[in-house]
Amino acid sequence: DVKVTQSSRYLVKRTGEKVFLECVQDMDHENMFWYRQDPGLGLRLIYFSYDVKMKEKGDIPEGYSVSREKKERFSLILESASTNQTSMYLCASSPRTGHQPQHFGDGTRLSIL
Amino acid sequence: QQQVKQSPQSLIVQKGGIPIINCAYENTAFDYFPWYQQFPGKGPALLIAIRPDVSEKKEGRFTISFNKSAKQFSLHIMDSQPGDSATYFCAASGRGSTLGRLYFGRGTQLTVWP
Repeated sequence: DVKVTQSSRYLVKRTGEKVFLECVQDMDHENMFWYRQDPGLGLRLIYFSYDVKMKEKGDIPEGYSVSREKKERFSLILESASTNQTSMYLCASSPRTGHQPQHFGDGTRLSIL
Repeated sequence: QQQVKQSPQSLIVQKGGIPIINCAYENTAFDYFPWYQQFPGKGPALLIAIRPDVSEKKEGRFTISFNKSAKQFSLHIMDSQPGDSATYFCAASGRGSTLGRLYFGRGTQLTVWP
């Protein structure tokens, strides 16, 4: 089974801190994605990557950056955390070829105080 | 602009009922329409998917109906059970440069009462 592991289930940080969310997948998938999930707004794509060192902006990239130095790992970075970034963050991965399902981690619930 | 519009936002049915969740899209380049199911505390997982060359796909109690001309698709859950209580997301994906990107609807929170 594909496993997407997010490093923390719950995280509490302070305004202005630099925050790192880590995601690792074990299926050699080319594509990796970061979403945030908020009630009533569904899943909104922040950034995605289709190869090592490659990244593409999603719909809400402002205030975030990403890093993909190895194929299996995709990091989301909040450069200077703000309270409006309190949310559930979900990582996903998928193979590049054809239409393949995205496999999600169980999320990191991030609170910015 | 939201690429996939989903309704209703929430749905409550009794056990045995047939909840229906509807989605609509505008982009005619979309050619793959999956549904994801999410239980509390878990990430979404693929439930069922359809391509536009068929009008219906059934897997167990879950059925997708697809209307290409209307650019709409819907999920029906037959004989719904309390264990089906979850959030359901429709999505769409296209060919070419999207590289596996999915465009999600906003989700429907389904509650099935025993």
